Amino acid sequence: GESVGLHLPTLSVQEGDNSIINCAYSNSASDYFIWYKQESGKGPQFIIDIRSNMDKRQGQRVTVLLNKTVKHLSLQIAATQPGDSAVYFCAERTGANNLFFGTGTRLTVIP
Amino acid sequence: GAGVSQSPRYKVTKRGQDVALRCDPISGHVSLYWYRQALGQGPEFLTYFNYEAQQDKSGLPNDRFSAERPEGSISTLTIQRTEQRDSAMYRCASSPFLAGLYNEQFFGPGTRLTVL
Repeated sequence: GESVGLHLPTLSVQEGDNSIINCAYSNSASDYFIWYKQESGKGPQFIIDIRSNMDKRQGQRVTVLLNKTVKHLSLQIAATQPGDSAVYFCAERTGANNLFFGTGTRLTVIP
Repeated sequence: GAGVSQSPRYKVTKRGQDVALRCDPISGHVSLYWYRQALGQGPEFLTYFNYEAQQDKSGLPNDRFSAERPEGSISTLTIQRTEQRDSAMYRCASSPFLAGLYNEQFFGPGTRLTVL
């Protein structure tokens, strides 16, 4: 299968702990942000999105925080599970209707 | 239901040959996106369609790359006179929303293109 992210930033967490994955975006005009999860050999899978007029949005076990002042986005995963192990990408939309993806962070959950 | 499918899953070709990569979006999805993903990187936008209309092709690297979606469903990404630097994973995504509204995109498994 495909191996994604051989030289990505990595984060290792113990099962059951909370995870925080950070992302710095580049364009202050970006109005929409998405977090994607990509498992090895698969395409990116939508997790959660947030618009620029919000600073926090919660989903099931996940929370996205947006700080426009410092152009920072974070994804918090509560009670991390082995199935959460993957590469996580943030993506920003800059006015044109396409997304720019960040480099990604590899999350490894230790059982 | 069925997700986005792409074919072929793997394509090996010789430099100078043309290749056509196919994307079958989720039934009823109105917008369709093409991306290229290098190993260890996030997807890089190439082009997208709302229905059959190509809205933005600013991400296509050069004029050897083209895409079409003639009936607003299946799309084909064509690369002419392939070069080794074209080797990458090519991903298609579709969305039930028109681009410009919500942008949740459902990605396919990709086509791994290798140009020898």
